[in-house]
Amino acid sequence: DAGVTQSPTHLIKTRGQQVTLRCSPKSGHDTVSWYQQALGQGPQFIFQYYEEEERQRGNFPDRFSGHQFPNYSSELNVNALLLGDSALYLCASSLKVGSRNPYEQYFGPGTRLTVT
Amino acid sequence: AQSVTQPDIHITVSEGASLELRCNYSYGATPYLFWYVQSPGQGLQLLLKYFSGDTLVQGIKGFEAEFKRSQSSFNLRKPSVHWSDAAEYFCAIPLVGNTPLVFGKGTRLSVIA
Repeated sequence: DAGVTQSPTHLIKTRGQQVTLRCSPKSGHDTVSWYQQALGQGPQFIFQYYEEEERQRGNFPDRFSGHQFPNYSSELNVNALLLGDSALYLCASSLKVGSRNPYEQYFGPGTRLTVT
Repeated sequence: AQSVTQPDIHITVSEGASLELRCNYSYGATPYLFWYVQSPGQGLQLLLKYFSGDTLVQGIKGFEAEFKRSQSSFNLRKPSVHWSDAAEYFCAIPLVGNTPLVFGKGTRLSVIA
């Protein structure tokens, strides 16, 4: 049973550039959430997708956008990168609200983004 | 708004000693509660969860946690720590009425011989 996978593992970008991160959920899961984890901090919720729509959003600017595909995989896009966007980006999958256990989230290994 | 506080930034224990990591939460109702562990450079692994029922929950790797409503706490414990337990530990609760998680800032555990 494949868990949550993310690509790439590491990424180095320059200020002002754009980046796309990818996530495949755990088998059987249909909901994907993205989190940003700055160094020495806990993860912070960015947004959540299910049924190919953004359902919840945290306190992040519009430079952060996403997409979910029919196979439930997801992308996180960040435009106009800032130095402060350097962080570990975590993807988590779960079952949607209304299912038996929607709160239990399984995390991928993350993508380490460095903005120079 | 709900929040999670982990008062201890860094704890050092000797191998074989007992461990307790503290977690306090602010929430409008009985929450769901989670503990995750993160090894260096890795993602988060679910250690245990509390949804309802028995307030003492067992998790993986010999960890347990106790939900105390009167103290708004969900402390993580292990009777005998192993060197491989050295990692960052996060307590988390869902957003009210939603499923995304709010995390504490984490407690870093170091284990010495």
